[in-house]
Amino acid sequence: DIQMTQSPSTLSASVGDRVTITCRASQSISSWLAWYQQKPGKPPKLLIYKASILERGVPSRFSGSGSGTEFTLTISSLQPDDFATYYCQQYDNYLYTFGQGTNLDNK
Amino acid sequence: QVLLHESGPGLVKPSETLSLTCTVSGASISDYHWSWIRQSPGKGLEWIAYMYYSGNTHYNPSLKSRVIMSLDTSKNQFSLKLSSVTAADTAVYYCARDYRLWLGDVWEYYGMDVWGQGTTVTVSS
Repeated sequence: DIQMTQSPSTLSASVGDRVTITCRASQSISSWLAWYQQKPGKPPKLLIYKASILERGVPSRFSGSGSGTEFTLTISSLQPDDFATYYCQQYDNYLYTFGQGTNLDNK
Repeated sequence: QVLLHESGPGLVKPSETLSLTCTVSGASISDYHWSWIRQSPGKGLEWIAYMYYSGNTHYNPSLKSRVIMSLDTSKNQFSLKLSSVTAADTAVYYCARDYRLWLGDVWEYYGMDVWGQGTTVTVSS
């Protein structure tokens, strides 16, 4: 099974900060990676798929990059609505694994 | 607008079978791919199962021996059955659309783009 490791587990930042979250796969997954945002009591929301493609309606301050085993999610200028937990998710031949999550909180 | 709604018992006894249904509105279930995901209290997300109406089904290897996913096109619903449950199966269960596009020779994966609100299932006697 492919394991996904996110870092950091917790990130404290302020409005306006540039924030980067990393996700590493235990083996190459090409670009088959998605990023989700989840707020308490709500389902996850798809932000990015295929490592770098922004889902419709997602603000352009979100961006994704990477391929193979290392990926990043960047928020260029943190907004109040962005404080949430972020998950990466890999797709490998109809089997999926999520990272353990990064809790982004207000410093 | 595609909407998903999970339903099922909120309380299941240990060793029994958990049964959940996801009702889809705004789309035909035969046109898309579908997944079940769960989230244990205070924990991360765990993918459980995937299915396409063609019958193509895949399960999380750690749950495979206990899981069955099925589709009912007449009701535009899909279902999850998880047998021999324990307290470790207590979680919020989500259904989601698995968005893929057919590129002529392969389905390209674009993430889970529509989610239900989730239903809480507690395993307890």
